[in-house]
Amino acid sequence: GAGVSQTPSNKVTEKGKYVELRCDPISGHTALYWYRQSLGQGPEFLIYFQGTGAADDSGLPNDRFFAVRPEGSVSTLKIQRTERGDSAVYLCASSHRQAANTGELFFGEGSRLTVL
Amino acid sequence: AQKVTQAQTEISVVEKEDVTLDCVYETRDTTYYLFWYKQPPSGELVFLIRRNSFDEQNEISGRYSWNFQKSTSSFNFTITASQVVDSAVYFCALPTDNYGQNFVFGPGTRLSVLP
Repeated sequence: GAGVSQTPSNKVTEKGKYVELRCDPISGHTALYWYRQSLGQGPEFLIYFQGTGAADDSGLPNDRFFAVRPEGSVSTLKIQRTERGDSAVYLCASSHRQAANTGELFFGEGSRLTVL
Repeated sequence: AQKVTQAQTEISVVEKEDVTLDCVYETRDTTYYLFWYKQPPSGELVFLIRRNSFDEQNEISGRYSWNFQKSTSSFNFTITASQVVDSAVYFCALPTDNYGQNFVFGPGTRLSVLP
């Protein structure tokens, strides 16, 4: 498709389990972002990739969270030893370049994670 | 630090009414961009507008208009003759700094347009 694709759309897991969330950005977009949105709140930045490298991971809450983008396209957000507080919608976005200053972000529909 | 405040948590209007969504921001930068995004029930945030801090002229796009006032650090969004399809959560956003690669989003305003 033409937009940002995220899978799974819904994930229910048990506390302590490992989870992977996948993002397929718009073709040709070099920048990729992960945000987390809790109920009733705005999106919170997690990590930003420019190409294959994580240019800014200052939003990752702790070392249980990790993200990769090995070929500069698809990205995977990995959460180890999930906790109930990790429950949220995880949003992926992509852009041509430095969207914050010059462009816009194109968002996917998100992956809703529920940790029981 | 950058901060965005949207004091209106929820607003309900009847179709065809005009409605204004407020956004107040704090920034340490002298030049910056401001953004509005719309999040319909499907969950996908949709870009609405980007404004440069140099340009304080109001902007109109169809039923949408934006009032940017640097003196009060506000960037308000007005929908004229609202429609049911305008029902969504609206977010105001600000880059984290002048070279920022990411945004600080406000908490959002949920707009319900009733038929």
